Amino acid sequence: EPEVTQTPSHQVTQMGQEVILRCVPISNHLYFYWYRQILGQKVEFLVSFYNNEISEKSEIFDDQFSVERPDGSNFTLKIRSTKLEDSAMYFCASTRDRSQPQHFGDGTRLSIL
Amino acid sequence: GESVGLHLPTLSVQEGDNSIINCAYSNSASDYFIWYKQESGKGPQFIIDIRSNMDKRQGQRVTVLLNKTVKHLSLQIAATQPGDSAVYFCAENEPRGDKIIFGKGTRLHILP
Repeated sequence: EPEVTQTPSHQVTQMGQEVILRCVPISNHLYFYWYRQILGQKVEFLVSFYNNEISEKSEIFDDQFSVERPDGSNFTLKIRSTKLEDSAMYFCASTRDRSQPQHFGDGTRLSIL
Repeated sequence: GESVGLHLPTLSVQEGDNSIINCAYSNSASDYFIWYKQESGKGPQFIIDIRSNMDKRQGQRVTVLLNKTVKHLSLQIAATQPGDSAVYFCAENEPRGDKIIFGKGTRLHILP
């Protein structure tokens, strides 16, 4: 069964540094998402992306965050200058149709030192 | 404010018994609901979904019930197995967009 893959599984970064989290969505999917989950808490929406542009973003997704689909397979989340509070699990998700369930990757654990 | 939530943070069930996990939602305009299972170190895994024009949907060993009158959603797992140990989230597809709003999750413990 096709799945969403994310790399790296764990990223450790110094505060203030830039970080790029990578995702390969399911190949025939058209809608792409990033969510985050702070340890022990619920999963929170960050941003949705369709047709090469952001369709919706949350208040968490400030100007330090950006997303890109640089080619036909990858979908990336960049944090320009990381803060301690950015430490969390970051999940990528995709779906072919907005009326269908989103499928999630296993996440990248981001640790900011 | 939070749109979707769960009643209990943890639930312990004897192996072989049925499990019922409950969820209350607050947005009466929501029309699509999903249950996800999250195992340790993994991402949310789709279990079953239901649209607001239905009140029950069955899968393999799982059933979702939707009561729109009281804005309540439940997940029933039949003959609970050790592999069912996980955190279960109900989620709502935001009606004016396409993001998912997750509840806080219920951790299901299976007792031997």
